[in-house]
Amino acid sequence: SQQGEEDPQALSIQEGENATMNCSYKTSINNLQWYRQNSGRGLVHLILIRSNEREKHSGRLRVTLDTSKKSSSLLITASRAADTASYFCAPFHSNDYKLSFGAGTTVTVRA
Amino acid sequence: GAVVSQHPSWVICKSGTSVKIECRSLDFQATTMFWYRQFPKQSLMLMATSNEGSKATYEQGVEKDKFLINHASLTLSTLTVTSAHPEDSSFYICSSLGQAYTEAFFGQGTRLTVV
Repeated sequence: SQQGEEDPQALSIQEGENATMNCSYKTSINNLQWYRQNSGRGLVHLILIRSNEREKHSGRLRVTLDTSKKSSSLLITASRAADTASYFCAPFHSNDYKLSFGAGTTVTVRA
Repeated sequence: GAVVSQHPSWVICKSGTSVKIECRSLDFQATTMFWYRQFPKQSLMLMATSNEGSKATYEQGVEKDKFLINHASLTLSTLTVTSAHPEDSSFYICSSLGQAYTEAFFGQGTRLTVV
């Protein structure tokens, strides 16, 4: 299975600001998924974008996908303290039903 | 969304003993479950893929005799850490792909401390 590589490793922003993180991967995908992990907890699925989609929105989340560059971005708008967490991307291909994760982006939202 | 329940959420055990962690899918049938291990401030490392009714597939470098995985039913997979050592102390997380294979559902994780 392939894993995504998130960038930056860490991000600290003020409440109300936007947070942007990027993900790069290496091989073809059916979809790419973003997950959030609060400290000491399991991962929670945030949003999925299919390989034929370029942009997707869900609430304050906006995800883009550029398959030609094998990259994706996650934007969290109007951040809140509750958004403080680690964020992981997971490229998925149906040839390999496994999700592997990179080091993630740790986002800290300051009040 | 679907619910995966992992138990216990934390456990402390003595060196040399074995610890069993359970992962249950509460409202769907999980043909496949995944077990991950996570060290502090690091990513999740996929340990093995557990398939109902068959032997688990272990990732390279993971000792199958140390980390015993059993997936006897469509709703339960277990990970047993045998003869635990302090270096096995970690956060273990299970997950299952949903039936549409479009997202994974994770357990709450188990914090294992071996003393």
